[in-house]
Amino acid sequence: GQNIDQPTEMTATEGAIVQINCTYQTSGFNGLFWYQQHAGEAPTFLSYNVLDGLEEKGRFSSFLSRSKGYSYLLLKELQMKDSASYLCAVTAGRRALTFGSGTRLQVQP
Amino acid sequence: GAVVSQHPSRVICKSGTSVKIECRSLDFQATTMFWYRQFPKKSLMLMATSNEGSKATYEQGVEKDKFLINHASLTLSTLTVTSAHPEDSSFYICSARDPYSAGGPETQYFGPGTRLLVL
Repeated sequence: GQNIDQPTEMTATEGAIVQINCTYQTSGFNGLFWYQQHAGEAPTFLSYNVLDGLEEKGRFSSFLSRSKGYSYLLLKELQMKDSASYLCAVTAGRRALTFGSGTRLQVQP
Repeated sequence: GAVVSQHPSRVICKSGTSVKIECRSLDFQATTMFWYRQFPKKSLMLMATSNEGSKATYEQGVEKDKFLINHASLTLSTLTVTSAHPEDSSFYICSARDPYSAGGPETQYFGPGTRLLVL
């Protein structure tokens, strides 16, 4: 089976940097996704990591270590609109995405 | 970027009726679409994988006779909740896999979701 863990909630200050961690256990790992979901809306794609290392995309960066089963999403220069749930998802074999429970991020002024 | 639409966005129905939800990929062809269900403040739970031209693959615990899935074309998949009951009330979200996505062939793009309320 697959097991994905991420913190339930985090709080950060506007303008700061926050790191959201995700650990996973799975066989046949293909890649790891990060999605952003605002309350009442569908998830939107943020990043996809297949190889080890850091992928940077504007204010958002995502890191993957396949050997450690570990990823993090780094958000810089936080804005109030970044308050949302951040979902870590893993794809393995021919299966569809398996989502973690999500991390609710609250950005405070 | 890839766009997925979902219709209706919100539906209220009486217990015992059936409800059809449509999921369309607007600017790409999706051989595979997925249907998820999400309860408040919970993560997405995969219900079934829908492949164009073949029967859907249901996750364990999901009743295939209750949640009918049809994927008749490369841009359309439908989910029909048959004989809906109040416990079926939920947020249903579809996604489509874009094999040519810049984010990688496994990237899924989500529709806006359908909020179902069964009275």
